[in-house]
Amino acid sequence: GIQVEQSPPDLILQEGANSTLRCNFSDSVNNLQWFHQNPWGQLINLFYIPSGTKQNGRLSATTVATERYSLLYISSSQTTDSGVYFCAAVLGGNKLVFGAGTILRVKS
Amino acid sequence: EPEVTQTPSHQVTQMGQEVILRCVPISNHLYFYWYRQILGQKVEFLVSFYNNEISEKSEIFDDQFSVERPDGSNFTLKIRSTKLEDSAMYFCATHTDHEKLFFGSGTQLSVL
Repeated sequence: GIQVEQSPPDLILQEGANSTLRCNFSDSVNNLQWFHQNPWGQLINLFYIPSGTKQNGRLSATTVATERYSLLYISSSQTTDSGVYFCAAVLGGNKLVFGAGTILRVKS
Repeated sequence: EPEVTQTPSHQVTQMGQEVILRCVPISNHLYFYWYRQILGQKVEFLVSFYNNEISEKSEIFDDQFSVERPDGSNFTLKIRSTKLEDSAMYFCATHTDHEKLFFGSGTQLSVL
């Protein structure tokens, strides 16, 4: 089955810093999504991005499907950005396969 | 923003007991899922449900698990005889065609 790998596994930022999270996937995908799991455990969908670039406020994401990777950019990080960031991909059907996540801690 | 609602938020049960987890999907969504997350681990797919039948299930989703949509609104996950290793956060998720997946806030299941 499809493999989804995320890097880095952990990241500590000072408030205001920028960061890039990476997601590599092993096969061509028709669906790639990024999620933020906040400290209360809620999974919030950030982007549905099978290809191209999208922006939402301080966050943006780019997926290069032909090279099998996606990037999540966080600019001017805030303490509320802390949590775990997951990417998830679908090879066929609708089953999302999640990566192991990047744990982000933003310090004030 | 529309929400997927899950109840209960926490469930504590004895090993061997049956549990039913409930979800109210977003009203115009057609695809329903259950995922679970064991503490500190990745989110794992359990089952997908479309047009009142299971469309895909994982190896985790064995004969002890079942899903149904009994009244056209609620979507339930039943675990017939719980085991210790079933302890996890269970998430319901829904979406429309080619749209992002919306997750509920989860049910934390603790099997003692």
